[in-house]
Amino acid sequence: NAGVMQNPRHLVRRRGQEARLRCSPMKGHSHVYWYRQLPEEGLKFMVYLQKENIIDESGMPKERFSAEFPKEGPSILRIQQVVRGDSAAYFCASSPKGAVGTEAFFGQGTRLTVV
Amino acid sequence: KQEVTQIPAALSVPEGENLVLNCSFTDSAIYNLQWFRQDPGKGLTSLLLIQSSQREQTSGRLNASLDKSSGRSTLYIAASQPGDSATYLCAVKKAGGTSYGKLTFGQGTILTVHP
Repeated sequence: NAGVMQNPRHLVRRRGQEARLRCSPMKGHSHVYWYRQLPEEGLKFMVYLQKENIIDESGMPKERFSAEFPKEGPSILRIQQVVRGDSAAYFCASSPKGAVGTEAFFGQGTRLTVV
Repeated sequence: KQEVTQIPAALSVPEGENLVLNCSFTDSAIYNLQWFRQDPGKGLTSLLLIQSSQREQTSGRLNASLDKSSGRSTLYIAASQPGDSATYLCAVKKAGGTSYGKLTFGQGTILTVHP
């Protein structure tokens, strides 16, 4: 059973371009969470999704950021018109349906660098 | 709003020492508390998960305790080794509401164990 898979591991974008980060949860997991780790800061919650639904996006910037978790395929975190301040490590975590109290499993992260 | 604080921010010890990392949280309404390890440029590895009804968990040389009423957890590492050098993160999972599974992280303790 593969763990949480994120790709790409490293992504370089020029200011104004779009960044697409992908997350494939562990097999059997239907809850996906995205977190951002800015340089010299802790991990901050961004968004919580279930299949085809955004449950909580309270940690996601209102502009330029969006997330989806379609019925088929990975969850996508999309950042439009990237700026230098978006440079960070973006982590995805997954958990099984209906198992709120269980352990969170994290991917290796995508390190986004905006130049 | 849940806030998680970790003390100390950094710790340097000689190999073989026993050490304690501290974590405190402001809202005791949690499902569980999880300790993670993060190596530079890497993802998060789960070390121990303590449910809100539990007092402690052990895994090898690691022991984590939880005092939910006082909002405190400690991670005890016995007989430290250079391979234990990493950033240790504490995270609590909120209970209730719509943000099932959302984790709030501390800033981490950077541990260096020198030979």
